Amino acid sequence: GAVVSQHPSWVIRKSGTSVKIECRSLDFQATTMFWYRQFPKQSLMLMATSNEGSKATYEQGVEKDKFLINHASLTLSTLTVTSAHPEDSSFYICSAPTSGGGTGELFFGEGSRLTVL
Amino acid sequence: GIQVEQSPPDLILQEGANSTLRCNFSDSVNNLQWFHQNPWGQLINLFYIPSGTKQNGRLSATTVATERYSLLYISSSQTTDSGVYFCAVMGGKLIFGQGTELSVKP
Repeated sequence: GAVVSQHPSWVIRKSGTSVKIECRSLDFQATTMFWYRQFPKQSLMLMATSNEGSKATYEQGVEKDKFLINHASLTLSTLTVTSAHPEDSSFYICSAPTSGGGTGELFFGEGSRLTVL
Repeated sequence: GIQVEQSPPDLILQEGANSTLRCNFSDSVNNLQWFHQNPWGQLINLFYIPSGTKQNGRLSATTVATERYSLLYISSSQTTDSGVYFCAVMGGKLIFGQGTELSVKP
């Protein structure tokens, strides 16, 4: 299957600092990528849809000024958590579809576990 | 939006047993996928199955799109099958069910 790589896998930050998470499609191009957040023992919740060359689309209740998304190229999307606080501690996962327009089979990165102290 | 319901929420099996996991969804969808989330959080693609039946080793899946449900069958379960199984449907965006947490005992 297609490969999506996410970095870093683990990150610890002090409260008030920012962290950038990268998501790369290694063997295919992705005009669209999706960012999810997962709290312990819960399902994955879609945060936003990242679109190459245009602004991201955020789900209701997700603060766009706090979770900055940049889809810099056809193989890279980044999520920056700004001024992180302990309640932002979570598992963040990105995904990309192998077909254009957001359709087709989705493959997921390894996830990034953020801990904010 | 589309609602996705999975059942059962939890399942405990003895090694070697068979099981069926169910996924109901509330509206027409473009695709449906089954995933296994391992203990490290990685989502492993099991099936991409908008309709019909597919098999991969001890696992198989059937989606009846007209009746808005999908089934995941696990035969001769092994301890390594333990983890959370998610169903996710695409209706513009991929929406996940709440998952079934499977525990296979030796």
